Amino acid sequence: AQSVSQHNHHVILSEAASLELGCNYSYGGTVNLFWYVQYPGQHLQLLLKYFSGDPLVKGIKGFEAEFIKSKFSFNLRKPSVQWSDTAEYFCAVSNKGSNDYKLSFGAGTTVTVRA
Amino acid sequence: DAGVIQSPRHEVTEMGQEVTLRCKPISGHNSLFWYRQTMMRGLELLIYFNNNVPIDDSGMPEDRFSAKMPNASFSTLKIQPSEPRDSAVYFCASSFQGADEQYFGPGTRLTVT
Repeated sequence: AQSVSQHNHHVILSEAASLELGCNYSYGGTVNLFWYVQYPGQHLQLLLKYFSGDPLVKGIKGFEAEFIKSKFSFNLRKPSVQWSDTAEYFCAVSNKGSNDYKLSFGAGTTVTVRA
Repeated sequence: DAGVIQSPRHEVTEMGQEVTLRCKPISGHNSLFWYRQTMMRGLELLIYFNNNVPIDDSGMPEDRFSAKMPNASFSTLKIQPSEPRDSAVYFCASSFQGADEQYFGPGTRLTVT
Protein backbone atom coordinates (compact mmCIF):
# COMPACT_ATOMS: atom_id res chain seq x y z
CA ALA A 1 0.00 0.00 0.00
CA GLN A 2 1.17 3.48 -0.68
CA SER A 3 1.08 6.43 1.68
CA VAL A 4 1.47 10.15 1.20
CA SER A 5 3.02 12.46 3.76
CA GLN A 6 2.64 16.21 3.76
CA HIS A 7 5.13 17.87 6.03
CA ASN A 8 3.24 20.92 7.16
CA HIS A 9 -0.24 21.00 8.63
CA HIS A 10 -0.67 24.78 8.54
CA VAL A 11 1.42 27.44 6.85
CA ILE A 12 0.88 31.15 7.43
CA LEU A 13 2.64 33.70 5.26
CA SER A 14 2.31 37.21 3.89
CA GLU A 15 1.44 38.23 0.37
CA ALA A 16 4.38 38.15 -2.04
CA ALA A 17 6.19 35.57 0.09
CA SER A 18 7.38 32.37 -1.53
CA LEU A 19 5.63 29.12 -0.77
CA GLU A 20 6.92 25.57 -0.73
CA LEU A 21 4.84 22.64 0.46
CA GLY A 22 6.49 19.29 0.98
CA CYS A 23 5.08 15.96 -0.17
CA ASN A 24 6.66 12.54 0.12
CA TYR A 25 5.19 9.22 -0.86
CA SER A 26 6.06 5.66 -0.12
CA TYR A 27 5.65 3.28 -3.04
CA GLY A 28 8.24 1.27 -4.88
CA GLY A 29 6.59 1.28 -8.27
CA THR A 30 5.89 3.92 -10.88
CA VAL A 31 3.43 6.59 -9.86
CA ASN A 32 1.33 9.44 -11.11
CA LEU A 33 1.49 12.51 -8.89
CA PHE A 34 -1.02 15.27 -8.31
CA TRP A 35 -1.56 18.45 -6.35
CA TYR A 36 -5.12 19.49 -5.67
CA VAL A 37 -6.35 22.72 -4.10
CA GLN A 38 -9.53 23.23 -2.09
CA TYR A 39 -10.59 26.86 -1.62
CA PRO A 40 -12.77 27.59 1.41
CA GLY A 41 -16.17 25.99 0.99
CA GLN A 42 -15.38 24.57 -2.41
CA HIS A 43 -14.50 21.22 -3.94
CA LEU A 44 -11.05 19.94 -4.85
CA GLN A 45 -9.57 21.23 -8.08
CA LEU A 46 -6.49 19.99 -9.87
CA LEU A 47 -3.50 22.33 -9.68
CA LEU A 48 -1.03 20.21 -11.60
CA LYS A 49 -0.06 16.64 -12.33
CA TYR A 50 3.00 14.62 -13.24
CA PHE A 51 2.78 11.46 -15.33
CA SER A 52 6.16 11.36 -17.10
CA GLY A 53 8.74 13.52 -18.83
CA ASP A 54 10.12 16.78 -17.44
CA PRO A 55 10.12 16.41 -13.65
CA LEU A 56 9.41 20.13 -13.26
CA VAL A 57 5.71 20.55 -13.82
CA LYS A 58 3.95 23.87 -14.23
CA GLY A 59 0.33 24.19 -13.23
CA ILE A 60 -2.35 26.80 -13.01
CA LYS A 61 -2.14 30.07 -11.07
CA GLY A 62 1.65 30.18 -11.10
CA PHE A 63 2.20 26.94 -9.21
CA GLU A 64 4.87 24.43 -10.08
CA ALA A 65 6.07 21.15 -8.61
CA GLU A 66 9.22 19.12 -8.94
CA PHE A 67 9.32 15.34 -8.94
CA ILE A 68 12.52 14.01 -7.40
CA LYS A 69 12.38 10.26 -7.84
CA SER A 70 15.36 9.52 -5.61
CA LYS A 71 13.70 11.34 -2.75
CA PHE A 72 10.16 10.10 -3.44
CA SER A 73 9.13 13.74 -3.29
CA PHE A 74 6.80 16.04 -5.22
CA ASN A 75 7.04 19.45 -3.59
CA LEU A 76 4.77 22.30 -4.60
CA ARG A 77 6.11 25.83 -5.05
CA LYS A 78 4.92 29.31 -5.86
CA PRO A 79 7.39 32.21 -5.96
CA SER A 80 4.97 34.91 -4.82
CA VAL A 81 1.65 34.10 -3.17
CA GLN A 82 -1.51 36.17 -3.20
CA TRP A 83 -4.28 36.46 -0.65
CA SER A 84 -6.45 34.39 -3.00
CA ASP A 85 -4.09 31.43 -2.57
CA THR A 86 -5.52 30.87 0.89
CA ALA A 87 -6.75 27.29 0.66
CA GLU A 88 -6.03 23.71 1.60
CA TYR A 89 -3.56 21.87 -0.59
CA PHE A 90 -3.51 18.11 -1.08
CA CYS A 91 -0.82 15.95 -2.58
CA ALA A 92 -2.02 12.67 -4.13
CA VAL A 93 -0.47 9.60 -5.70
CA SER A 94 -1.81 6.84 -7.91
CA ASN A 95 -0.21 3.70 -9.28
CA LYS A 96 0.75 3.93 -12.91
CA GLY A 97 -0.26 1.15 -15.24
CA SER A 98 -2.08 -1.02 -12.76
CA ASN A 99 -5.69 -1.84 -12.17
CA ASP A 100 -5.57 0.00 -8.86
CA TYR A 101 -7.21 3.31 -9.65
CA LYS A 102 -7.16 4.71 -6.16
CA LEU A 103 -5.74 8.11 -5.41
CA SER A 104 -3.98 8.18 -2.07
CA PHE A 105 -4.22 11.64 -0.57
CA GLY A 106 -2.02 13.31 1.99
CA ALA A 107 -3.57 14.87 5.05
CA GLY A 108 -3.50 18.30 3.44
CA THR A 109 -1.76 21.57 4.25
CA THR A 110 -3.79 24.63 5.11
CA VAL A 111 -2.21 27.77 3.69
CA THR A 112 -3.24 31.14 5.05
CA VAL A 113 -1.99 34.19 3.19
CA ARG A 114 -2.19 37.45 5.09
CA ALA A 115 -2.75 40.63 3.13
CA ASP B 1 -19.38 20.36 -19.65
CA ALA B 2 -21.38 20.54 -16.43
CA GLY B 3 -18.77 18.72 -14.39
CA VAL B 4 -19.57 16.19 -11.71
CA ILE B 5 -23.02 16.83 -10.29
CA GLN B 6 -23.98 15.93 -6.75
CA SER B 7 -27.25 16.22 -4.93
CA PRO B 8 -28.33 17.33 -2.49
CA ARG B 9 -25.74 19.96 -1.65
CA HIS B 10 -26.80 19.99 1.98
CA GLU B 11 -28.65 17.38 3.99
CA VAL B 12 -29.71 17.61 7.59
CA THR B 13 -31.31 14.53 9.06
CA GLU B 14 -31.99 12.89 12.37
CA MET B 15 -30.13 9.91 13.69
CA GLY B 16 -31.64 6.66 12.46
CA GLN B 17 -32.93 8.05 9.20
CA GLU B 18 -31.88 6.79 5.79
CA VAL B 19 -29.77 9.14 3.70
CA THR B 20 -29.18 8.84 -0.04
CA LEU B 21 -26.53 10.88 -1.79
CA ARG B 22 -26.48 11.09 -5.57
CA CYS B 23 -23.79 11.63 -8.14
CA LYS B 24 -23.72 12.11 -11.89
CA PRO B 25 -20.18 11.73 -13.28
CA ILE B 26 -18.79 13.59 -16.25
CA SER B 27 -20.07 12.07 -19.47
CA GLY B 28 -17.55 9.63 -20.91
CA HIS B 29 -15.74 9.01 -17.64
CA ASN B 30 -15.66 5.35 -16.70
CA SER B 31 -14.37 5.53 -13.12
CA LEU B 32 -16.30 6.94 -10.19
CA PHE B 33 -15.11 7.52 -6.64
CA TRP B 34 -16.87 8.35 -3.37
CA TYR B 35 -14.89 10.22 -0.69
CA ARG B 36 -15.68 11.47 2.79
CA GLN B 37 -13.98 14.52 4.26
CA THR B 38 -13.89 15.38 7.96
CA MET B 39 -11.66 17.56 10.07
CA MET B 40 -10.50 14.59 12.10
CA ARG B 41 -9.79 12.08 9.35
CA GLY B 42 -9.21 14.26 6.29
CA LEU B 43 -10.14 12.91 2.87
CA GLU B 44 -10.99 9.21 2.83
CA LEU B 45 -11.82 7.05 -0.17
CA LEU B 46 -14.94 5.04 0.55
CA ILE B 47 -15.47 3.09 -2.66
CA TYR B 48 -14.77 3.30 -6.35
CA PHE B 49 -16.31 1.87 -9.50
CA ASN B 50 -14.82 1.11 -12.85
CA ASN B 51 -17.25 0.63 -15.75
CA ASN B 52 -20.10 0.56 -13.19
CA VAL B 53 -18.53 -2.32 -11.26
CA PRO B 54 -17.42 -1.80 -7.64
CA ILE B 55 -13.68 -2.43 -7.55
CA ASP B 56 -12.68 -1.61 -3.98
CA ASP B 57 -15.06 -0.93 -1.11
CA SER B 58 -12.52 -1.43 1.64
CA GLY B 59 -12.97 2.17 2.73
CA MET B 60 -16.67 1.81 3.46
CA PRO B 61 -16.93 2.30 7.24
CA GLU B 62 -19.45 -0.42 7.99
CA ASP B 63 -22.50 -2.22 6.73
CA ARG B 64 -24.65 0.84 7.21
CA PHE B 65 -23.00 2.26 4.09
CA SER B 66 -23.79 0.99 0.61
CA ALA B 67 -23.14 2.30 -2.87
CA LYS B 68 -24.52 1.45 -6.27
CA MET B 69 -23.85 2.44 -9.83
CA PRO B 70 -26.75 1.14 -11.95
CA ASN B 71 -25.47 2.83 -15.10
CA ALA B 72 -22.60 4.94 -16.39
CA SER B 73 -24.30 8.22 -15.54
CA PHE B 74 -25.54 7.71 -12.00
CA SER B 75 -24.37 6.51 -8.62
CA THR B 76 -25.80 6.57 -5.12
CA LEU B 77 -24.28 6.35 -1.67
CA LYS B 78 -26.73 5.28 0.99
CA ILE B 79 -26.41 5.38 4.76
CA GLN B 80 -28.99 3.39 6.71
CA PRO B 81 -29.38 4.06 9.57
CA SER B 82 -27.47 7.32 9.83
CA GLU B 83 -25.53 8.32 12.95
CA PRO B 84 -24.12 11.66 14.13
CA ARG B 85 -20.57 10.45 13.42
CA ASP B 86 -21.49 10.19 9.75
CA SER B 87 -21.64 13.99 9.59
CA ALA B 88 -19.11 15.03 6.94
CA VAL B 89 -18.78 16.35 3.42
CA TYR B 90 -19.16 13.57 0.88
CA PHE B 91 -17.48 14.09 -2.47
CA CYS B 92 -17.99 12.20 -5.67
CA ALA B 93 -15.27 12.25 -8.32
CA SER B 94 -14.92 10.77 -11.76
CA SER B 95 -12.09 10.11 -14.14
CA PHE B 96 -11.42 8.75 -17.57
CA GLN B 97 -9.20 5.69 -17.57
CA GLY B 98 -8.97 5.14 -13.87
CA ALA B 99 -5.59 6.38 -12.78
CA ASP B 100 -5.89 9.69 -14.61
CA GLU B 101 -6.81 12.89 -12.83
CA GLN B 102 -10.06 12.88 -10.93
CA TYR B 103 -12.66 15.61 -11.24
CA PHE B 104 -14.50 16.34 -8.04
CA GLY B 105 -18.09 17.34 -7.54
CA PRO B 106 -19.18 20.16 -5.22
CA GLY B 107 -19.86 17.75 -2.39
CA THR B 108 -22.81 17.03 -0.13
CA ARG B 109 -22.56 18.40 3.39
CA LEU B 110 -24.33 15.90 5.63
CA THR B 111 -25.34 16.74 9.17
CA VAL B 112 -26.86 14.01 11.31
CA THR B 113 -28.38 15.27 14.55
